Amino acid sequence: TQLLEQSPQFLSIQEGENLTVYCNSSSVFSSLQWYRQEPGEGPVLLVTVVTGGEVKKLKRLTFQFGDARKDSSLHITAAQPGDTGLYLCAGVGTSYGKLTFGQGTILTVHP
Amino acid sequence: DAGVIQSPRHEVTEMGQEVTLRCKPISGHDYLFWYRQTMMRGLELLIYFNNNVPIDDSGMPEDRFSAKMPNASFSTLKIQPSEPRDSAVYFCASSPMRGPQNTEAFFGQGTRLTVV
Repeated sequence: TQLLEQSPQFLSIQEGENLTVYCNSSSVFSSLQWYRQEPGEGPVLLVTVVTGGEVKKLKRLTFQFGDARKDSSLHITAAQPGDTGLYLCAGVGTSYGKLTFGQGTILTVHP
Repeated sequence: DAGVIQSPRHEVTEMGQEVTLRCKPISGHDYLFWYRQTMMRGLELLIYFNNNVPIDDSGMPEDRFSAKMPNASFSTLKIQPSEPRDSAVYFCASSPMRGPQNTEAFFGQGTRLTVV
């Protein structure tokens, strides 16, 4: 079973602060994804990382894939209230496209 | 394309009743996933299909749960009999899964199931 452990589970910060969310596994994934979910909606993809060591930036969000393709991190710079939401990492298995999610991190950014 | 369509959006049923959740994936997507989301357990993968064939149903909690995909444009998740602990939001998602850069899962809006 390919399990993804996300930390922290909850994060409550002030506007302007930086934060990092971690996603770890003992398994290798062919790619790793980060999603964001708003209340009452399904998750929506933010980014996919494929190559070990890869770093992708999306405005104030920076995503990194570990060298061994087992872990990933999401860093948000100068968080804003609009960043509030549930952030989920997901790993695509090495065969047959199995997509498994971590537990998620609930982020609250206070103005 | 209208995206992944799930029905109903909300379902309230009594314990012991049969519940059927429905999903229409995005046309052309070869993979279809059923997930269950709760505060305690997060987003759990129940079962997924590739080209209408179930590939992995190890996440299906019990024999009370069953899923079918009779064709490329329709899938059902059935719970019979339902129990209060089945209360959750059930999501259907589809994906092309063609190559490492083309693995995005597109989710429906979910079905919020309450079993009383």
